[in-house]
Amino acid sequence: QLQLQESGPGLVKPSETLSLTCTVSGGSISSSSYYWGWIRQPPGKGLEWIGSIYYSGSTYYNPSLKSRVTISVDTSKNQFSLKLSSVTAADTAVYYCARLRIYCGGDCYYWFDPWGQGTLVTVSS
Amino acid sequence: EIVLTQSPGTLSLSPGERATLSCRASQSVSSSYLAWYQQKPGQAPRLLIYGASSRATGIPDRFSGSGSGTDFTLTISRLEPEDFAVYYCQQYGSSPPQFTFGPGTKVDIK
Repeated sequence: QLQLQESGPGLVKPSETLSLTCTVSGGSISSSSYYWGWIRQPPGKGLEWIGSIYYSGSTYYNPSLKSRVTISVDTSKNQFSLKLSSVTAADTAVYYCARLRIYCGGDCYYWFDPWGQGTLVTVSS
Repeated sequence: EIVLTQSPGTLSLSPGERATLSCRASQSVSSSYLAWYQQKPGQAPRLLIYGASSRATGIPDRFSGSGSGTDFTLTISRLEPEDFAVYYCQQYGSSPPQFTFGPGTKVDIK
């Protein structure tokens, strides 16, 4: 059974860079059928997609965050990572990693499943 | 960018009742691009429906999805105690590639 686990500092200072890693277990991150993604959720609010990556390193990002986001993959460790620069209090959120399934038959289908348990990152001095 | 609107914001129902949740897109969305998730307090979202109407593995058949174009619906035929949660719709947009989520509908106990 595939599992994802986020890890990284729970507290980041304003203007610094938030760094998180997602470790995938129970399956290979190099599977051709999947992308991998980061989604966040500010306390008490809804979900916001941050970006996604393929094992080859191909990425796409939320246009609203693109200038501050870098997502990378380390296939040797079965991990992918998120860096968000110049953080402010508005970046305080639970950060989730998830597997993105893209299935194309006649049409293409897209969904996130499973998700990691999430990790709370607070931006504060 | 396609914006998703969910209604109602909160739905107060009793166990055994039928829940009908709406997700409306600001422009037409391919049905294959539409998914629904359930989130309980303190937990990660869980996939319920993909492709607007296909149930994910292990999801009970009381959950069903329908719709096309700009209007999509998640129906819970008979609410069980464990179904009281927040539900989000999500769509994929191709130009540029991105995902957006609706603001969510909370289903709580009446």
